Amino acid sequence: EAGVAQSPRYKIIEKRQSVAFWCNPISGHATLYWYQQILGQGPKLLIQFQNNGVVDDSQLPKDRFSAERLKGVDSTLKIQPAKLEDSAVYLCASSLAGYNEQFFGPGTRLTVL
Amino acid sequence: RKEVEQDPGPFNVPEGATVAFNCTYSNSASQSFFWYRQDCRKEPKLLMSVYSSGNEDGRFTAQLNRASQYISLLIRDSKLSDSATYLCVVNMGSKIIFGKGTRLHILP
Repeated sequence: EAGVAQSPRYKIIEKRQSVAFWCNPISGHATLYWYQQILGQGPKLLIQFQNNGVVDDSQLPKDRFSAERLKGVDSTLKIQPAKLEDSAVYLCASSLAGYNEQFFGPGTRLTVL
Repeated sequence: RKEVEQDPGPFNVPEGATVAFNCTYSNSASQSFFWYRQDCRKEPKLLMSVYSSGNEDGRFTAQLNRASQYISLLIRDSKLSDSATYLCVVNMGSKIIFGKGTRLHILP
């Protein structure tokens, strides 16, 4: 069974630039999550989708971050404009439903210079 | 009080020893609990769910204490391969919170 796919794996940009990350969840998983993990900390939930609807985006900095899951399958997360403090690993995860085991992708490591 | 708290460690434990971690949570209405394992520069992976009655999987035992609002993870006969960061996860219904993790180093 294919796991959660993410791209790119690494991205280096300068502050004030824009960047987008892509995630393809495990087939059949209705719930998709985006997390931000800063070095030395646990993952912080940015947004949770149930199919193509947003369940929780309370910790998403909406002035610069946006995410969509238009067809209820793959998803994109965008940062515009990026700040130095956005340097982190962005993890995508999926689960059958909101209370089930989450399966994580390999993450995208973002460095903002 | 933080929503989910873990001792960051590191715990340096000799191979074969038993080690235990706790994780406290602030919301008494929290509904489900998990332990994830994260290796260096890798993604988190589910180690085990935590059930109200406690559960065991080989050398690993997880317990939930709702009265005191904490979960625990016990590792018996520790192996070198158990070296990792252990993340506590609490589903509070309205949101999912990961702890910052406890680093474990198993020493040969």
